[in-house]
Amino acid sequence: SQKIEQNSEALNIQEGKTATLTCNYTNYSPAYLQWYRQDPGRGPVFLLLIRENEKEKRKERLKVTFDTTLKQSLFHITASQPADSATYLCALAAGSSNTGKLIFGQGTTLQVKP
Amino acid sequence: DTAVSQTPKYLVTQMGNDKSIKCEQNLGHDTMYWYKQDSKKFLKIMFSYNNKELIINETVPNRFSPKSPDKAHLNLHINSLELGDSAVYFCASSQAGQDLQHFGDGTRLSIL
Repeated sequence: SQKIEQNSEALNIQEGKTATLTCNYTNYSPAYLQWYRQDPGRGPVFLLLIRENEKEKRKERLKVTFDTTLKQSLFHITASQPADSATYLCALAAGSSNTGKLIFGQGTTLQVKP
Repeated sequence: DTAVSQTPKYLVTQMGNDKSIKCEQNLGHDTMYWYKQDSKKFLKIMFSYNNKELIINETVPNRFSPKSPDKAHLNLHINSLELGDSAVYFCASSQAGQDLQHFGDGTRLSIL
């Protein structure tokens, strides 16, 4: 069956360190993968999208990698700050193209301590 | 200006009642979605409309009926509410050709 898993429900790190979050999937061949940030009581906010033919994408302190052989995406936040504390969701494109259907992982809650 | 807005933000009601949640987007997008986020935080797609046409209809009880009067609005009507319907419901929108989705801040539905 199709499955998406984010490696841990919670991740605690010290300010200034690099946070690395993992998203693994099985029985999918997604055209792209997205990462969203969700704060308590708010909706998810789009961060980055990486396509199947891309290995890496960067945006400021954020970096995403996509390994279609390992069926895995890694999401890195460098020089982390307490303001980065939130839940991070990975999402795969699923179904036929152009439907916009996304399948979400269960999220990893990141806590950055000062 | 709020891009995707949902009303109400909180909805507390009795089992068996019928309720509606409204969603509006001012981004000019042509595709809108409804998601359900349960207590374990899983966000699951329920429905999607493109230019008022239903294009995604996941395995959702037929007590849930989406309605899109125009491409800027997608409402969700729920009949005969059950305890298991308690969740946060999110509306989202996207533009064809752009894959990222913009989410509202959710409607927390609590069934007593």
